[in-house]
Amino acid sequence: SQQGEEDPQALSIQEGENATMNCSYKTSINNLQWYRQNSGRGLVHLILIRSNEREKHSGRLRVTLDTSKKSSSLLITASRAADTASYFCATGAGTASKLTFGTGTRLQVTL
Amino acid sequence: EPEVTQTPSHQVTQMGQEVILRCVPISNHLYFYWYRQILGQKVEFLVSFYNNEISEKSEIFDDQFSVERPDGSNFTLKIRSTKLEDSAMYFCASTSDRYEQYFGPGTRLTVT
Repeated sequence: SQQGEEDPQALSIQEGENATMNCSYKTSINNLQWYRQNSGRGLVHLILIRSNEREKHSGRLRVTLDTSKKSSSLLITASRAADTASYFCATGAGTASKLTFGTGTRLQVTL
Repeated sequence: EPEVTQTPSHQVTQMGQEVILRCVPISNHLYFYWYRQILGQKVEFLVSFYNNEISEKSEIFDDQFSVERPDGSNFTLKIRSTKLEDSAMYFCASTSDRYEQYFGPGTRLTVT
């Protein structure tokens, strides 16, 4: 698999449900970040987790990182229609390093 | 809240023409990046820039590409002779703390 692959590729849920997206990567990382992209728009930074952290929360977002399995998950609780977007994980390997993006998960939240 | 801005939002050009994409990073940021996203594909790193020089570049960033910070606020990406396969969304990003990167809204480049 490539560095930064998300699954599922697409996820459809109803408003109020929780959405879980997973990301796997191959090489050693310094940090992992999650971004949201609305269709045809820019990337919005959601949350960053460093390699020495295991879990982080921000509002309705919960991110976990398992460096032994080289994987991360993003949980969005109590989803809203406005959460409909593509979600990408991106890994950074070091100081001021480039980000390597995953393939993304398209989340559709219906009323 | 400060944000990265990019102009133009959409650029249409003919194959072989030169284009300059412009970005204004967040004012106190020191590290600048260009990425691109071909329609339906993942975001790809092009180049990073710090202290007025390129710090890293990808295989995509060949001699057709160049970057410049002509003054204290702008950061530009130039493509000298555009090809059809350069059609993509180009994103500028900046950071101060070298980890969390903030992205602009992108410039959609269409090469015909």
